[in-house]
Amino acid sequence: NAGVTQTPKFQVLKTGQSMTLQCAQDMNHEYMSWYRQDPGMGLRLIHYSVGAGITDQGEVPNGYNVSRSTTEDFPLRLLSAAPSQTSVYFCASSYGLNREQFFGPGTRLTVL
Amino acid sequence: GEDVEQSLFLSVREGDSSVINCTYTDSSSTYLYWYKQEPGAGLQLLTYIFSNMDMKQDQRLTVLLNKKDKHLSLRIADTQTGDSAIYFCAETSPRGNTPLVFGKGTRLSVIA
Repeated sequence: NAGVTQTPKFQVLKTGQSMTLQCAQDMNHEYMSWYRQDPGMGLRLIHYSVGAGITDQGEVPNGYNVSRSTTEDFPLRLLSAAPSQTSVYFCASSYGLNREQFFGPGTRLTVL
Repeated sequence: GEDVEQSLFLSVREGDSSVINCTYTDSSSTYLYWYKQEPGAGLQLLTYIFSNMDMKQDQRLTVLLNKKDKHLSLRIADTQTGDSAIYFCAETSPRGNTPLVFGKGTRLSVIA
């Protein structure tokens, strides 16, 4: 199993550009989440999904969209990037909402 | 991460024991987790403890849980330079319907 994969590993955007961060898992997990990690802020939940077709907002959802058309994939979209979205983004999946989460390697995003 | 509190930094000498502390908010949390994040990597589950346990030992790791005080600790015996990382405490969501809630992380530095 590849586990949780994320692409790209690094990305630089200009303010106002859009992009999609990809996340996929091959463990047949129902639950998937997106977090951002900033210095001194820990991990903050952006959006999560409890199954295909179902998504919900986390702690910091503004500026981000998600969709879950398949069990395997959970892309995160930035519609109009802002410097405040410079961060490291982690995708995670789990077989239970409050159970162990498996994390991807992260995407380091810089918005200029 | 406002529901889970951790000190941000800890520095120990190689060979000494490290103790990382965490306070959480939800007395009904079923599981409490410790994750490790090495530089440039995602989070990996280090260990966890079920809420009906007081202690769990796994090789050099000892987890202590004080439910009365909502206090969780991770002790690493014979700390090595390879233990240098950020350690996150996580609890099941107080609302029960969202993913794990993480602390801000404790950066452990091991001095040779």
